[in-house]
Amino acid sequence: NAGVTQTPKFRILKIGQSMTLQCTQDMNHNYMYWYRQDPGMGLKLIYYSVGAGITDKGEVPNGYNVSRSTTEDFPLRLELAAPSQTSVYFCASSDRTGGFSGANVLTFGAGSRLTVL
Amino acid sequence: AQKVTQAQTEISVVEKEDVTLDCVYETRDTTYYLFWYKQPPSGELVFLIRRNSFDEQNEISGRYSWNFQKSTSSFNFTITASQVVDSAVYFCALSEASGTYKYIFGTGTRLKVLA
Repeated sequence: NAGVTQTPKFRILKIGQSMTLQCTQDMNHNYMYWYRQDPGMGLKLIYYSVGAGITDKGEVPNGYNVSRSTTEDFPLRLELAAPSQTSVYFCASSDRTGGFSGANVLTFGAGSRLTVL
Repeated sequence: AQKVTQAQTEISVVEKEDVTLDCVYETRDTTYYLFWYKQPPSGELVFLIRRNSFDEQNEISGRYSWNFQKSTSSFNFTITASQVVDSAVYFCALSEASGTYKYIFGTGTRLKVLA
């Protein structure tokens, strides 16, 4: 059971370039999230999805886009990369089955370290 | 608005000391979840515990214990007899218990356990 897989682990971009961070989960979780982690700032929610075909903005969506065509995949696209997007990005998924006693525990990918120069 | 505050940015202790990590939260929801996650130097985020808002029973798991008090909106985490392997950044988090189940994370507390 692979859990949540993110690629690439590291990437250096030039200002203005675009790229896609891939995220795949094999746990059949409906809920998926993208977070960015800046030093000393905790995790900030970029986008989230409650199921295939449904996405919504989090706290810091500017400069990013997502899609959710399947339950398994939730790619994050960076358009026109800027130095402010230098960060570590985490994809996560969770399960809601079980009602209020359901887990709602986030399973995280290993992270993708992005540097924009 | 929801908010999670971890006022301790960094704590250093000597191995075998007890240490408590503080977490204070704000929410208008009557039902919610509280969590602790650990981020060791390798960088991955690991789930430690979840608490439902209606369950104020304290929990102990080995050297770890959690004290949830709704009256003070706190969910503190204590490590007893700390070990070097406990060195990590610890995040407290709050999530909705319905709808989008979005999380709000605190800024984390970096714990350094010295040998």
